[in-house]
Amino acid sequence: KQEVTQIPAALSVPEGENLVLNCSFTDSAIYNLQWFRQDPGKGLTSLLLIQSSQREQTSGRLNASLDKSSGRSTLYIAASQPGDSATYLCAVLGTYKYIFGTGTRLKVLA
Amino acid sequence: NAGVTQTPKFQVLKTGQSMTLQCAQDMNHNSMYWYRQDPGMGLRLIYYSASEGTTDKGEVPNGYNVSRLNKREFSLRLESAAPSQTSVYFCASSLTTAVLEAFFGQGTRLTVV
Repeated sequence: KQEVTQIPAALSVPEGENLVLNCSFTDSAIYNLQWFRQDPGKGLTSLLLIQSSQREQTSGRLNASLDKSSGRSTLYIAASQPGDSATYLCAVLGTYKYIFGTGTRLKVLA
Repeated sequence: NAGVTQTPKFQVLKTGQSMTLQCAQDMNHNSMYWYRQDPGMGLRLIYYSASEGTTDKGEVPNGYNVSRLNKREFSLRLESAAPSQTSVYFCASSLTTAVLEAFFGQGTRLTVV
């Protein structure tokens, strides 16, 4: 059974710091891995999608990497801003369904 | 360009009442999903529909039924609501169940008293 873990559960950093969020999964037989952002009381916004054949994806200040063999993904946020404050979720797509981690709650202090 | 639309956004039910959560997508996606989100539990899959005409159970299907009405619409029904079903419900869709990106609705906040 696929299990997805995100560490840390919560993170508070000063504005301008570069930071790394971690996601690990137990079954490497995945189709893709997707990072989402969720603001309080809102839905999920897709940030980056990494297909199983890829090793990383970049969008603006965000970079996500995938190492299937070790069951790990990282989301790198460069030069963090207060507007980046949100919960970040990773999800892996196995057979027919996405399995989510419990998220990292990020607060960027001005 | 609505994407995935869920109705209602908020609902309060009494224990034992029934209701249907509606979801529609306008992206011509084949696959649709219902998740619930509870504090400390992350998102858990209730039911999914890999394609029109098919539905399958996810991790937490008990107490729910679904209908894939057509390619656009996937509804979730609570026949007899229980306080344990108090949660935020999200509908999602993707082009297929493999490879491609999932898109989420804004959620339905359900309280059962």
